[in-house]
Amino acid sequence: QKEVEQDPGPLSVPEGAIVSLNCTYSNSAFQYFMWYRQYSRKGPELLMYTYSSGNKEDGRFTAQVDKSSKYISLFIRDSQPSDSATYLCAMSPYPYSGGGADGLTFGKGTHLIIQP
Amino acid sequence: DTGVSQNPRHKITKRGQNVTFRCDPISEHNRLYWYRQTLGQGPEFLTYFQNEAQLEKSRLLSDRFSAERPKGSFSTLEIQRTEQGDSAMYLCASSTRDRVSDEQYFGPGTRLTVT
Repeated sequence: QKEVEQDPGPLSVPEGAIVSLNCTYSNSAFQYFMWYRQYSRKGPELLMYTYSSGNKEDGRFTAQVDKSSKYISLFIRDSQPSDSATYLCAMSPYPYSGGGADGLTFGKGTHLIIQP
Repeated sequence: DTGVSQNPRHKITKRGQNVTFRCDPISEHNRLYWYRQTLGQGPEFLTYFQNEAQLEKSRLLSDRFSAERPKGSFSTLEIQRTEQGDSAMYLCASSTRDRVSDEQYFGPGTRLTVT
């Protein structure tokens, strides 16, 4: 079992829909959670980050963390064709370091397609 | 543009050749990370530097790989005697631990193709 599981999709939704993207993880040491967006052949772009369980909102994006269930989500409201990309969840044990813990552990990414 | 930059963006090399990639982090960031990403996978951590010190290496970083960050500024990643399995996107990220958080910002990557 990989430390971080993420459905690779593709996930296809119509423009304007609410998108829900999810990751599960097995390492209870993970404390710091991020979502990145990656367009084809580009580097990942940081969208959201959070430490605590609960919700964090930024514009059309909401990140949700449930540490008791080891489950994180990213919601995208009013989805646009420009949101079509691969969405990567990432996590780390920060602020605890050492033992290879300083690099982020990523999911495989979910390929999202927003249909106009 | 003050983001992370990487050069070259693309590199095609023959098996057995050596290649070197360069990463220039965001100027005030003291941490620099290297990752490798293959098709359909998320990035995998290779190594990181705090200033000029290389503090951690992944098991993925074989003896053919070496990374440096002289003077704590730009970094280079060298692969010796390249193999076809080295074909991937090599990503660099930087962050700062001067703040409470430690968000890593990625560059555009160097795509390596070994023929």
